[in-house]
Amino acid sequence: AQSVAQPEDQVNVAEGNPLTVKCTYSVSGNPYLFWYVQYPNRGLQFLLKYITGDNLVKGSYGFEAEFNKSQTSFHLKKPSALVSDSALYFCAVRAPRDSWGKLQFGAGTQVVVTP
Amino acid sequence: NAGVTQTPKFRILKIGQSMTLQCTQDMNHNYMYWYRQDPGMGLKLIYYSVGAGITDKGEVPNGYNVSRSTTEDFPLRLELAAPSQTSVYFCASNLLNRGQGAPEAFFGQGTRLTVV
Repeated sequence: AQSVAQPEDQVNVAEGNPLTVKCTYSVSGNPYLFWYVQYPNRGLQFLLKYITGDNLVKGSYGFEAEFNKSQTSFHLKKPSALVSDSALYFCAVRAPRDSWGKLQFGAGTQVVVTP
Repeated sequence: NAGVTQTPKFRILKIGQSMTLQCTQDMNHNYMYWYRQDPGMGLKLIYYSVGAGITDKGEVPNGYNVSRSTTEDFPLRLELAAPSQTSVYFCASNLLNRGQGAPEAFFGQGTRLTVV
């Protein structure tokens, strides 16, 4: 069975500092990996995904993520955080043999960026 | 573009009442999904549909029913509401075609349901 772990409930960072949100996964085969962000009282917005190819994936709003197969990780990063990046971030995995697009989500990590 | 639209945004139900959460998408997506979000638990899949007339259970289907009579609409029905169904419900859609990679799903803004 596939699973996703986000080991940190909350990440606190000062504006201008680098931001990292961790994600590890467990799935057979080569997974499809996604990051979504949820602002208060809003739906989930897609940030970026990894399907195949280059291990460093660039996405929306200056975010990027690095796929590491040996460590089964897909950490989200931003070189310089903004106060507006404060939100709930979800990592999700789709099994490669899943033809129905079903996503398994992590529990989410709350990011708090202070001025 | 409206994308995925959910109604209502908020609802309070009494135990034993029933209701339907509405979801519609205007992107001509073939796949649609219902997830529930509980604090500290991420999102869990309730039901999904691969096209009009075809639905299947997800991870947590008990207490819910769905139908898909059109490509655009995918309502979620709660027949006998229970406190355990207090949650935020998200509808999502995707356009999946065989051999065309892994497109991202689009989500609605959610319905916050409280059962008292």
